[in-house]
Amino acid sequence: GQQVMQIPQYQHVQEGEDFTTYCNSSTTLSNIQWYKQRPGGHPVFLIQLVKSGEVKKQKRLTFQFGEAKKNSSLHITATQTTDVGTYFCAGGTGGFKTIFGAGTRLFVKA
Amino acid sequence: DAGVIQSPRHEVTEMGQEVTLRCKPISGHNSLFWYRQTMMRGLELLIYFNNNVPIDDSGMPEDRFSAKMPNASFSTLKIQPSEPRDSAVYFCASSFRTSGSVEQFFGPGTRLTVL
Repeated sequence: GQQVMQIPQYQHVQEGEDFTTYCNSSTTLSNIQWYKQRPGGHPVFLIQLVKSGEVKKQKRLTFQFGEAKKNSSLHITATQTTDVGTYFCAGGTGGFKTIFGAGTRLFVKA
Repeated sequence: DAGVIQSPRHEVTEMGQEVTLRCKPISGHNSLFWYRQTMMRGLELLIYFNNNVPIDDSGMPEDRFSAKMPNASFSTLKIQPSEPRDSAVYFCASSFRTSGSVEQFFGPGTRLTVL
């Protein structure tokens, strides 16, 4: 079936270092969403990308959607301890269904 | 708006018992999703509804699981009988599905422990 793969599974960084998580789909997506889940919390929507090659920024976060609409990335510049959590990508298939990646858990050491 | 409301927040039960999880979506949202999250399997979509109608229940693991949405403001996920492997955090999410936005709003989750 359709899958959304996300790497890495875990990432430990020193505060101030950059962080990137990658998402790959087995099929072309209609859109990609990114969510953040703090430890003990619930997923919270960050952003949605729709267009091929789209790049969006939210302060220190940069989101990209690949030209083929099969891959995406989230890059955080100069991580802070408040960035700790699990980042999920979620691929939209054109219908109502959204397929979540396994998530990348980010640890930030002060 | 209070956001998506789920109850109970925690449930501990014994194997074989019936468990009912409840969800109140955000008012005006037309889509509702039930997810299960575990360390081993991550975030799994169990079932989703659009305008109170189940669209895809292919994620429901077994016949022991059932979900209903009798009206736009309420949904239940029932497990009968429950088993220890059902232990997980169950999230309900809702969205207002338009051609341009698919943002899902998650509830706080119900942590289920089956002994």
